[in-house]
Amino acid sequence: EAGVTQFPSHSVIEKGQTVTLRCDPISGHDNLYWYRRVMGKEIKFLLHFVKESKQDESGMPNNRFLAERTGGTYSTLKVQPAELEDSGVYFCASSPLGPSGGNTIYFGEGSWLTVV
Amino acid sequence: GESVGLHLPTLSVQEGDNSIINCAYSNSASDYFIWYKQESGKGPQFIIDIRSNMDKRQGQRVTVLLNKTVKHLSLQIAATQPGDSAVYFCAETAGGSYIPTFGRGTSLIVHP
Repeated sequence: EAGVTQFPSHSVIEKGQTVTLRCDPISGHDNLYWYRRVMGKEIKFLLHFVKESKQDESGMPNNRFLAERTGGTYSTLKVQPAELEDSGVYFCASSPLGPSGGNTIYFGEGSWLTVV
Repeated sequence: GESVGLHLPTLSVQEGDNSIINCAYSNSASDYFIWYKQESGKGPQFIIDIRSNMDKRQGQRVTVLLNKTVKHLSLQIAATQPGDSAVYFCAETAGGSYIPTFGRGTSLIVHP
């Protein structure tokens, strides 16, 4: 069974440009999460989808970030325009929809974004 | 605000030694705890979890201890191997939330 897949794995863009990250969750997983880790810091929650609906987007830094999950399958995270402080690794994760709390979530390998 | 944090950012051990990675949490409502391992260039991988109604859980070469009184969690790795070198994160959820809150991570370096 395929795990969570993300692409691109690495991206280097200039300040002011746009980048779109894509995540394909594990098949059948209704929960999809985006997290971000800035160098040397904690992994911070960005948002959570249940199917196509945004359940919690309290971690989104500002309106330069837009996440979508069309049809409840794959998700995209767009940063427009990118700023230097957006550099970091963006992780996507998924989990099945079941009893809340205590579900293991499965992470992708991350999209490593560098804004120069 | 509530947070999950770690005592030591870096831990260096010799191959074969036992490793102990510590984590403090502040949310008294936390009821589920997870340890993740992140190897260089990869995403966090689940290692072991524990619910708040337990104080110890063992896996293969790993043991998680939970002390709710002092809000402390630890991960013990027996006979540490070079392949255990990674950043280890503790995470917690509370009140039935699906969303783990992560700490900053501890870098474990195993010297052969």
